[in-house]
Amino acid sequence: GAVVSQHPSWVICKSGTSVKIECRSLDFQATTMFWYRQFPKQSLMLMATSNEGSKATYEQGVEKDKFLINHASLTLSTLTVTSAHPEDSSFYICSAPGYGGNYNEQFFGPGTRLTVL
Amino acid sequence: DAKTTQPPSMDCAEGRAANLPCNHSTISGNEYVYWYRQIHSQGPQYIIHGLKNNETNEMASLIITEDRKSSTLILPHATLRDTAVYYCIVRAANFGNEKLTFGTGTRLTIIP
Repeated sequence: GAVVSQHPSWVICKSGTSVKIECRSLDFQATTMFWYRQFPKQSLMLMATSNEGSKATYEQGVEKDKFLINHASLTLSTLTVTSAHPEDSSFYICSAPGYGGNYNEQFFGPGTRLTVL
Repeated sequence: DAKTTQPPSMDCAEGRAANLPCNHSTISGNEYVYWYRQIHSQGPQYIIHGLKNNETNEMASLIITEDRKSSTLILPHATLRDTAVYYCIVRAANFGNEKLTFGTGTRLTIIP
């Protein structure tokens, strides 16, 4: 099956710094990718839709200037958490819809755990 | 997308069938039922989906009621590795509508 990777798998940073998380589709192209955030013992919350070649679409309540998304190629989307603060500490997960016209299955990355000190 | 309701938690003995219910009484005619699961600290994993017929794959079976207002995911012989949060999601399967809205899911614990 298709594989989506994320890098890094975990990161610890100081408050006020920026952190970049990469999401790659390893064996298929993804014109669309999705970014989720998950706090402990909670469900996944969709943050934004990353679109190759155009601006990302953010869900209501998600600050686009704080969570910068760049879909640089058909296999790479990046999420940059700018000026991170402790409340941004969370598990960030990306996903990409199935390839070959298969809209029924999404492939998720393993997640990135961000801890802001 | 239609809303789903799932029990917050369930236990199942190892080796037995795990039956996870989902209520989706407001489902529309063009909406599919999808099941994903998330093992602790990992990304979700697709399990199965269906429209109105029962479906089976190597992981599970999906039983959808005739009125499509509810469904049951069946793991036929649960193992400890099936301990996870299971999410039932309803959405239309068409290009441009791939995003998934996760509810609270059911935390399934397989007991040795």
